[in-house]
Amino acid sequence: EPEVTQTPSHQVTQMGQEVILRCVPISNHLYFYWYRQILGQKVEFLVSFYNNEISEKSEIFDDQFSVERPDGSNFTLKIRSTKLEDSAMYFCASSELGGVETQYFGPGTRLLVL
Amino acid sequence: KNQVEQSPQSLIILEGKNCTLQCNYTVSPFSNLRWYKQDTGRGPVSLTIMTFSENTKSNGRYTATLDADTKQSSLHITASQLSDSASYICVVSARGAGKSTFGDGTTLTVKP
Repeated sequence: EPEVTQTPSHQVTQMGQEVILRCVPISNHLYFYWYRQILGQKVEFLVSFYNNEISEKSEIFDDQFSVERPDGSNFTLKIRSTKLEDSAMYFCASSELGGVETQYFGPGTRLLVL
Repeated sequence: KNQVEQSPQSLIILEGKNCTLQCNYTVSPFSNLRWYKQDTGRGPVSLTIMTFSENTKSNGRYTATLDADTKQSSLHITASQLSDSASYICVVSARGAGKSTFGDGTTLTVKP
């Protein structure tokens, strides 16, 4: 069964460093999403992406965040200058279409900023 | 402000028993409501999706209900199994917006 994959599973970085989280969505899906979940807290929407551009973003998704689909298969989330409060689990998700389509989540990347 | 409130925060039941989880929301204008199951350290897995016109949706032993007038939803789990132990998350999306509002989840523990 097709699934969303994410790499790395864990990432430790120093405050101020740039990190890139990678996701491979399900191959025929057209909509892509990033979410984050700070330890012990609820999942929060970051951004949705369709047709090579951002379709929605939350207040969390400020100028230090960016997303890209560099090669038609990968979908990346870049954090330019990490802060301690960026420590969280980051989930990528994809759906065949937008709206009420089922979103399939990846296993997540655990980011720890020291 | 869009909000999703879930209750109870946690629940412990014996294997084989049924349980019902609640979700109240203030998201407007309403588009759809989803229930997810999230195992510890894993990504959420979709259980049901309901739009405004649907008031019940089943997926195996999971049955979700939606009352769009009172802005309430429930997730009923029948004949619980040990593998049902997880966090159950209610997510509500507003019409015309891709972003979703997540609830805090209900942590369900099924004991033998």
